[in-house]
Amino acid sequence: GEDVEQSLFLSVREGDSSVINCTYTDSSSTYLYWYKQEPGAGLQLLTYIFSNMDMKQDQRLTVLLNKKDKHLSLRIADTQTGDSAIYFCAETSPWMDSSYKLIFGSGTRLLVRP
Amino acid sequence: DAGVTQSPTHLIKTRGQQVTLRCSPKSGHDTVSWYQQALGQGPQFIFQYYEEEERQRGNFPDRFSGHQFPNYSSELNVNALLLGDSALYLCASSSGTIQPQHFGDGTRLSIL
Repeated sequence: GEDVEQSLFLSVREGDSSVINCTYTDSSSTYLYWYKQEPGAGLQLLTYIFSNMDMKQDQRLTVLLNKKDKHLSLRIADTQTGDSAIYFCAETSPWMDSSYKLIFGSGTRLLVRP
Repeated sequence: DAGVTQSPTHLIKTRGQQVTLRCSPKSGHDTVSWYQQALGQGPQFIFQYYEEEERQRGNFPDRFSGHQFPNYSSELNVNALLLGDSALYLCASSSGTIQPQHFGDGTRLSIL
């Protein structure tokens, strides 16, 4: 079946690293995404990783993928108050079952304390 | 380079009415997907349009319908509105069906 799960809330101090975790159940997932949503706004694509990769780094963002455990994480280095938002993990498997839809988790609310 | 634009930003309707939401994809994108995001939840896939055809549909009733125009813009129509249709409706576009989807800021629909 298709399911994506995330922890609901994370609080960190400004300047620390944040790690947001996600687990998924669809073993055919091909692309895994991280989106950011600020209050009153839509979703901003942060980064994505293809399932044949273990890690992807993009400036302050590091994505780690453990395919065996179906676990995805997003690490934000030097977290700033502007990083406070809801972060969504999403997966899709367009080639395995012609599924083009994004399956989202419920989101992790990140609060950065000054 | 304009991103995905949606209109209107907010809308208030009453039960039983019909509504049309509009979306213009990001420049260079030809695929449009629609999502419904209830308060406190992640977005749920409604359907995707590619080459003016519905390519895939999520678990939504036939009251939800859509259209894609030759310029790749799209409309989402909802008939016989229910209180439970109150949500943020998000449009996403991509270059082809398998490329990353980029989202607009959504239309906030409130049903009274």
